[in-house]
Amino acid sequence: EAGVTQFPSHSVIEKGQTVTLRCDPISGHDNLYWYRRVMGKEIKFLLHFVKESKQDESGMPNNRFLAERTGGTYSTLKVQPAELEDSGVYFCASSQAGLLEQYFGPGTRLTVT
Amino acid sequence: QKEVEQDPGPLSVPEGAIVSLNCTYSNSAFQYFMWYRQYSRKGPELLMYTYSSGNKEDGRFTAQVDKSSKYISLFIRDSQPSDSATYLCAMRWGGGADGLTFGKGTHLIIQP
Repeated sequence: EAGVTQFPSHSVIEKGQTVTLRCDPISGHDNLYWYRRVMGKEIKFLLHFVKESKQDESGMPNNRFLAERTGGTYSTLKVQPAELEDSGVYFCASSQAGLLEQYFGPGTRLTVT
Repeated sequence: QKEVEQDPGPLSVPEGAIVSLNCTYSNSAFQYFMWYRQYSRKGPELLMYTYSSGNKEDGRFTAQVDKSSKYISLFIRDSQPSDSATYLCAMRWGGGADGLTFGKGTHLIIQP
């Protein structure tokens, strides 16, 4: 069974540009999460989808971040326009309905210059 | 005060030693406690989780939770060089599909 996959693995963009990160959860997992780790800090929760619906987006830093999960399968996280402080590693995780275990992808390393 | 405190290390021990990794937390509403292992350039991998206070054992790994002290521990027996990684504690309020609150992680090095 394939795990959680994320694309790209690394992205370098200039301040003011737009970047879209993609996450493909484990097949059949209704719950999808986005997290971010800024250098020197802990991994922080951004938001949670149940199928295609946003269940909790309390961790989204501001309105420059837009997450979507059309059709309840893969998800995208768009940052527009990117700022220097958006640099970090963005992780996606998924879990089955009713189960505690969250399975993480390898992350996308975003560098904003 | 951060919600979850974890010493980032590095913690370096000789092969075969017993390793103790710890986290403290401030929010008494946390009920589920997890330990993740993360190798360099990889995503976190769930090792164990416990509900409320008590111990849980899985092979060489033992997780302990003391809710009265707001203190959780992970013990690794007979440590191996392959155990070298960053260990992250994480916790959540309920048994539903909440987002996790993480510690910073402890970088563990097992010396052959």
